[in-house]
Amino acid sequence: NAGVTQTPKFRILKIGQSMTLQCAQDMNHNYMYWYRQDPGMGLKLIYYSVGAGITDKGEVPNGYNVSRSTTEDFPLRLELAAPSQTSVYFCASSYGRLAGAYEQYFGPGTRLTVT
Amino acid sequence: AQTVTQSQPEMSVQEAETVTLSCTYDTSESNYYLFWYKQPPSRQMILVIRQEAYKQQNATENRFSVNFQKAAKSFSLKISDSQLGDTAMYFCAFMKPNYGGSQGNLIFGKGTKLSVKP
Repeated sequence: NAGVTQTPKFRILKIGQSMTLQCAQDMNHNYMYWYRQDPGMGLKLIYYSVGAGITDKGEVPNGYNVSRSTTEDFPLRLELAAPSQTSVYFCASSYGRLAGAYEQYFGPGTRLTVT
Repeated sequence: AQTVTQSQPEMSVQEAETVTLSCTYDTSESNYYLFWYKQPPSRQMILVIRQEAYKQQNATENRFSVNFQKAAKSFSLKISDSQLGDTAMYFCAFMKPNYGGSQGNLIFGKGTKLSVKP
């Protein structure tokens, strides 16, 4: 049971480039999330998904896109990278809305630098 | 909107001693969940302890316990018998219950950097 996995671990992008951050979970969780963590700050929600084919915006969605074609995968797409997107990105998942099933499990993070 | 405030950017404690990290939050909800997450230098987010707002009893997990004061909207973390491995950033987080399709997202404080000294 690998839990939540993220690739790549590190990436440097040039301004204007695009990339996709990959996230996968093998716990059959319904809910998946993308957060970003800026230096000295807590995590902020970018997008989330309540199941395959269903996504919605979080607190800081601008400059990102997501899709959820399967239960297991939840990729995050950065279009036209900007220096403001330099951050550490975390993917998380949880079983869903049942009582006691709300704990979120986090991946190891992707450190992204845009120069 | 809910907010979470951690007023101590950094703290230090001697090994084997006890330390308390503070957290306050603001919400109009009556039912919610509160969490403390640990982030060591490895960057992995690790759940330390959780508290359901409808439970009056304070949660305890081994050396970690909380002091949950609902009326004061306070949720402090006490670490007893501190160990070198407790050195990490600690984040307090709030979650609204996931009813009717709402997202149940975590709202984080800015964190407290805890250093355990030998």
